Amino acid sequence: SQTIHQWPATLVQPVGSPLSLECTVEGTSNPNLYWYRQAAGRGLQLLFYSVGIGQISSEVPQNLSASRPQDRQFILSSKKLLLSDSGFYLCAWGGPSYNSPLHFGNGTRLTVT
Amino acid sequence: KNEVEQSPQNLTAQEGEFITINCSYSVGISALHWLQQHPGGGIVSLFMLSSGKKKHGRLIATINIQEKHSSLHITASHPRDSAVYICAVSLHPPEYGNKLVFGAGTILRVKS
Repeated sequence: SQTIHQWPATLVQPVGSPLSLECTVEGTSNPNLYWYRQAAGRGLQLLFYSVGIGQISSEVPQNLSASRPQDRQFILSSKKLLLSDSGFYLCAWGGPSYNSPLHFGNGTRLTVT
Repeated sequence: KNEVEQSPQNLTAQEGEFITINCSYSVGISALHWLQQHPGGGIVSLFMLSSGKKKHGRLIATINIQEKHSSLHITASHPRDSAVYICAVSLHPPEYGNKLVFGAGTILRVKS
């Protein structure tokens, strides 16, 4: 069966520090991978998505970057965090077909102090 | 105007009540998803449908393609149904990467 792992679950980081959030998927190959952010009381905002190794598409200009070094690994990074980067970050994967369901990780709650 | 609109934004119900959450969209879609986000933040996919009706336990999802409208019904609601319910659509033709467009969510609280 397919599973998705995302860590850490919570993170408190000072302004200006680096960030690395990791997401791995098991039980499927060549998934589409997504990073979403959810600010408090707001809907889901797509940050990055990837349809294959090394292929990253960015949806919004920001202080963050993403990488996909392996087929089932998706990493969200920042060199220097801003206060506005605080939020709830969710990784998700979907199949290549347009009618594939989306599967979410448990999320990382990031607080930048 | 958002491409996917949900109503109501907030809903409080008494245990046992029948609940309906609505989703309207203004774009062509290939599928509509209903998601559930629990207070801890994790999101699970409840339904994905492109026509008709689907049922899983006490949950029923319907879609009317002509009217561009979907509803999520919960029968015999229970406090454990308290969560945020999110409607999302896969666009048609599909966007590169099969990105979904999300509604803002409906916050449901079921009181015992």
